[in-house]
Amino acid sequence: NAGVTQTPKFRVLKTGQSMTLLCAQDMNHEYMYWYRQDPGMGLRLIHYSVGEGTTAKGEVPDGYNVSRLKKQNFLLGLESAAPSQTSVYFCASITGQGPLIFGPGTRLTVT
Amino acid sequence: DAKTTQPTSMDCAEGRAANLPCNHSTISGNEYVYWYRQIHSQGPQYIIHGLKNNETNEMASLIITEDRKSSTLILPHATLRDTAVYYCLCMIKAAGNKLTFGGGTRVLVKP
Repeated sequence: NAGVTQTPKFRVLKTGQSMTLLCAQDMNHEYMYWYRQDPGMGLRLIHYSVGEGTTAKGEVPDGYNVSRLKKQNFLLGLESAAPSQTSVYFCASITGQGPLIFGPGTRLTVT
Repeated sequence: DAKTTQPTSMDCAEGRAANLPCNHSTISGNEYVYWYRQIHSQGPQYIIHGLKNNETNEMASLIITEDRKSSTLILPHATLRDTAVYYCLCMIKAAGNKLTFGGGTRVLVKP
């Protein structure tokens, strides 16, 4: 039982490049979340999903897209990366019994 | 989900109890109070949760006021490893919610 895993752990992008962050959970959790955390700041919700095939916007969705084609995976895409998207990205999942389980994070730098 | 308010920061002496307050005056009857902590840049870690009654586990105790409008997380014997950012969150169990975090309390345990 690996819990919540995130791929990649680190990435450096140039402005305008695109990439996809993968979040995977093996706990059969229904709900999944993507957060970003800027240096010295709290967690901000980007997008979330309440089930396979469904997604919804969080607090800061602009510049990101998501997909939940399989229950165990939640993908976060950056179509055209900007320096303002330099951050640490955390994925989390939860099921009815709680609590929220977080992944280790992906550290993204956009130059 | 109910909005939570926490002090920005607090210091605590090693070996003493740390009492972390959280206000959630708009909490609804079916919302639980959850506490998480984030050590350095790791993914947030679950600590404890409760609905009405006080709760205790191996990590901490949670005291919820009778009107449920506030709660206190107690770390009984703080250690240097408890230095972290602590987040209070209100959420409905078994429901896919737009889970947002506040700024949390930055706790510094001093020797």
